[in-house]
Order: sequence, then structure tokens, then C-alpha cells
Amino acid sequence: QVQLQESGPGLVKPSQTLSLTCTVSGASVSSGRYYWSWIRQTAGKGLEWVGHIYTSGSTDYNSSLKSRVTISLDTSDSQFSLQLTSVTAADTAIYFCARFRGRYVGDYWGQGIRVTVSS
Amino acid sequence: DIQMTQSPSSLSASVGDRVTITCQASQDISNSLNWYQQKPGKAPKLLIYDAFNLEAGVPSRFRGSGSGTDFTFTVHSLQPDDFATYYCQQYDSLPLSFGGGTKVEIK
Repeated sequence: QVQLQESGPGLVKPSQTLSLTCTVSGASVSSGRYYWSWIRQTAGKGLEWVGHIYTSGSTDYNSSLKSRVTISLDTSDSQFSLQLTSVTAADTAIYFCARFRGRYVGDYWGQGIRVTVSS
Repeated sequence: DIQMTQSPSSLSASVGDRVTITCQASQDISNSLNWYQQKPGKAPKLLIYDAFNLEAGVPSRFRGSGSGTDFTFTVHSLQPDDFATYYCQQYDSLPLSFGGGTKVEIK
């Protein structure tokens, strides 16, 4: 059974960098045909795809965030990470990590982590 | 970017009812559509992929149909566990995008 779990700080100051890690069990992030993804959810904008990294290491990002976001695979083979720079209050959200199979079908999701941007 | 318009945004229904939700894409996405269920404080759960395929382990009372720009999600005989918010998601092109959600509440 594949399981994902987000971790990281729940509070980030404006202009700083948001860093989250997703720990995966039951699968390797560097094998198979999967996209390891980050999605965020706010009351105002709903569910928003942030970006993903393929098992080969290639990435795609939402153009609305592209200049600020980096997703990477960790050498542990069981983690991948999100970094979002220069955060503002608009980046306050619940952040989910997820596995997308095939042509972007999200079959396993983490429980989500609430991140607040505030001084 | 492809916009997904979901309706209604909320509805009230009773156990045993048939519930129908629609999702409209801003351009032709063929059958590149998924449906998810989300309960408060939980992650979205995949129910339907490729517009009409039932994910393994999901009860057959959940159905999806449509192609192109217009899609329908139906719950046949609503059960107590089905009160939740439902989302469509297109994957025809990046960025992936979601509908605004439909909250199904108890009448």
C-alpha cells in the first residue's frame, strides 16, 4: 500500500522560502512511471496544481508559480520536496503531496499540511 | 490554461437519492477527466478516471460520463458515507486544473 506524508513548518514569514518534504512508503520515487506532485488548496482558489517531478527527474510547474517553485527528488529514494521562494499571504494553503500515474491520474495523496504565511 | 466549471456548487439530497454533478471544460479535453471525493480534513480520493472508468475498490454506484467539453458525475442511491465535496480535474494539458467543487449535504 502506497502512503504519502507531508512534513515541514506550519508557519513561514513573508518573503522567506517555504520548504516541504513528502515521505513515500510502499513505492520508490525514482522508479516506475509516476509523477510526484504538489497540489495546494485554499478556500478562495480551491485546488491548485503546483507542479510535479517525474521519476526520471524532469519537472513541470504551474506557470503562475514557475519562477518561485522547485520540486526535487531526494537521494533517499523515498522522499521528494517542494521549495517556494518569496512567499506572501497568498501562499497560505493546505499543501498536499500526491502520486499521479499514467496521464496525470492522482491515485495516492498525503493527508495535507497547513502552511500559514505570516509575520 | 483550461478552466473547469463545475455545477452546482452545492446541493442537498437524501439517502437513496440520485445525485448528478456537471463539469464543463473551456476547451475540448477528449476524455481526460478525473473525479475525486473529499471529506473535511482529508485528502481527495480518486473515484473515476478517464471520464468513466471506476477506480479499483470504488462502489459501482459512482458513475462518470461525457467527453469533449461536457462531463457528468452521478451517484446512484446516495449513501450516508457519500456526503462530501466532489471535484473534477482535467489532464488534457498542463497546468492540471480542478473544478471549483460540489458540496453534497444532507437534506
